[in-house]
Amino acid sequence: NAGVTQTPKFRVLKTGQSMTLLCAQDMNHEYMYWYRQDPGMGLRLIHYSVGEGTTAKGEVPDGYNVSRLKKQNFLLGLESAAPSQTSVYFCASSYSPGVHEKLFFGSGTQLSVL
Amino acid sequence: LAKTTQPISMDSYEGQEVNITCSHNNIATNDYITWYQQFPSQGPRFIIQGYKTKVTNEVASLFIPADRKSSTLSLPRVSLSDTAVYYCLVADRAGGFKTIFGAGTRLFVKA
Repeated sequence: NAGVTQTPKFRVLKTGQSMTLLCAQDMNHEYMYWYRQDPGMGLRLIHYSVGEGTTAKGEVPDGYNVSRLKKQNFLLGLESAAPSQTSVYFCASSYSPGVHEKLFFGSGTQLSVL
Repeated sequence: LAKTTQPISMDSYEGQEVNITCSHNNIATNDYITWYQQFPSQGPRFIIQGYKTKVTNEVASLFIPADRKSSTLSLPRVSLSDTAVYYCLVADRAGGFKTIFGAGTRLFVKA
């Protein structure tokens, strides 16, 4: 099993450009998450999904949109990138959000917005 | 809102035992405590989870007192490769279930 796969691994954007980050998991997990991590900081939750066709806002949702059209994929979109969105983005998935939840993370996407 | 508090950073030497304590005063009755480890340029990875008393696996031990308001992650005989950030998590059920990370504890192991 590949686990959680994120593409691309690196990307440089100009201010105002748009892009989509793809997260794919092959573990049949219901829950999927997008986090961002700034240098020296912890992870902050952007958006999450409790199942196919659902999305919800996390701690820092502004400037991002997400879609979960298929259970195995969770897309994160930036419609008009800003320098403040320069960060490392991590996707994670879990079987269920219950008391035993264990998150499985991808390797991250390093995004720079100039 | 179940929030965790842990030290920002800790230093240790190779071969020592390291204990990282996390406070979670508002933990819900049914919630487990989960610890993750994150190496530079990698995503966090699950290392241990527990509900009460003591849990041990090949990586670490987790000690949870009876009141469950805190927990201690114990790393035996650390090596340089244990240098990482360690996150303590409990569930955040406010406004729907989601997993919120705190700032974590940055452990630096010296030779």
